[in-house]
Amino acid sequence: KQEVTQIPAALSVPEGENLVLNCSFTDSAIYNLQWFRQDPGKGLTSLLLIQSSQREQTSGRLNASLDKSSGRSTLYIAASQPGDSATYLCAPRQDSGAGSYQLTFGKGTKLSVIP
Amino acid sequence: NAGVTQTPKFRILKIGQSMTLQCTQDMNHNYMYWYRQDPGMGLKLIYYSVGAGITDKGEVPNGYNVSRSTTEDFPLRLELAAPSQTSVYFCASSYSRQAPGEQYFGPGTRLTVT
Repeated sequence: KQEVTQIPAALSVPEGENLVLNCSFTDSAIYNLQWFRQDPGKGLTSLLLIQSSQREQTSGRLNASLDKSSGRSTLYIAASQPGDSATYLCAPRQDSGAGSYQLTFGKGTKLSVIP
Repeated sequence: NAGVTQTPKFRILKIGQSMTLQCTQDMNHNYMYWYRQDPGMGLKLIYYSVGAGITDKGEVPNGYNVSRSTTEDFPLRLELAAPSQTSVYFCASSYSRQAPGEQYFGPGTRLTVT
């Protein structure tokens, strides 16, 4: 059974700092991995989808890397802003049989960016 | 752009009551999912559907039922509500053919069972 660990559980940084969020997973047989952000009391917003054949995926100030063989992904946020404050969730996707593709979620990293 | 919509946003149920959580997507996605999120925990998959008329259990299906009569709608039914079903429920959808696609989430339904 896939298990996902996100470290740290919480992170507080001053505005403008670059930061890295870590995600590790136990089963490397994944199709892709998705990073989400979740604001308090809200749903999940997809940030990046990185395919198993890719090493990196970029969107604006966000860069996700994937090392499938070692079961690790990182989310790099450049020049952090107070609006980046949210919980960030990592979710690798696997084929759970009969063509169903399921995400397994970590507990997330709660990021606070201090003005 | 509506995307994935869920109703209601909030609901309080008494133990033993029943209700249906509604989920609709307008992106013509073939895959739909129901998750629950408990405080401090990761999302857990309840049920999923790979297309109209096809549903299957996820990790935590007990106490729930689903149906998928159309591509757009995927309602989640709670038959006999229990306090353990107090949670936030999220519906999601994705388009998957040769490869699984990006999953999009609704805003959630916050359910309290007392």
